[in-house]
Amino acid sequence: KAGVTQTPRYLIKTRGQQVTLSCSPISGHRSVSWYQQTPGQGLQFLFEYFSETQRNKGNFPGRFSGRQFSNSRSEMNVSTLELGDSALYLCASSTGQGDFQETQYFGPGTRLLVL
Amino acid sequence: QKEVEQDPGPLSVPEGAIVSLNCTYSNSAFQYFMWYRQYSRKGPELLMYTYSSGNKEDGRFTAQVDKSSKYISLFIRDSQPSDSATYLCAMSDPNTGNQFYFGTGTSLTVIP
Repeated sequence: KAGVTQTPRYLIKTRGQQVTLSCSPISGHRSVSWYQQTPGQGLQFLFEYFSETQRNKGNFPGRFSGRQFSNSRSEMNVSTLELGDSALYLCASSTGQGDFQETQYFGPGTRLLVL
Repeated sequence: QKEVEQDPGPLSVPEGAIVSLNCTYSNSAFQYFMWYRQYSRKGPELLMYTYSSGNKEDGRFTAQVDKSSKYISLFIRDSQPSDSATYLCAMSDPNTGNQFYFGTGTSLTVIP
């Protein structure tokens, strides 16, 4: 079974620009969660989508948004980029059925550098 | 105060040593506890999963949860150079659905 894929793997943008990151979950998984990982803050939860609906949301400003498509693929958008948005953005997929023994499988991440 | 605290290390041990990695947390509602391993330039992969208090063993890895102290540990026996990675603890509260809370990670190097 193919793992979680994320595109692009690396991205360089300048302040004020916007960016869209993509995540394809494992086949059959309906839940996609997004995280921001930085050396100082570790992994921080952005949001979770399940069946095209945002089910959980972390404490990030409205510049961070996402969506999920009917095939469970998800995109994350960051508008008006700031230097502090430079990070590794990870997506994780799971069945999302509410069985908390389920595992979150992570993709390789998209490394974003904002100049 | 962060919900999950983890000593970032770095931790350096000789091959064959027993490694102890720890996290503390503040939210008594956390019921599910996980350890992830993250190699450089890779996404985290799940190592161990435990529910509520107690121990769980899987090969060279043992996870312990002490809910009374809000403290979890991961022990690695007979550590190998291939264990060199960053180890992240994570936990979740069933009432918040599929939201996980992560520690910042501990960087481990096992020296041959």
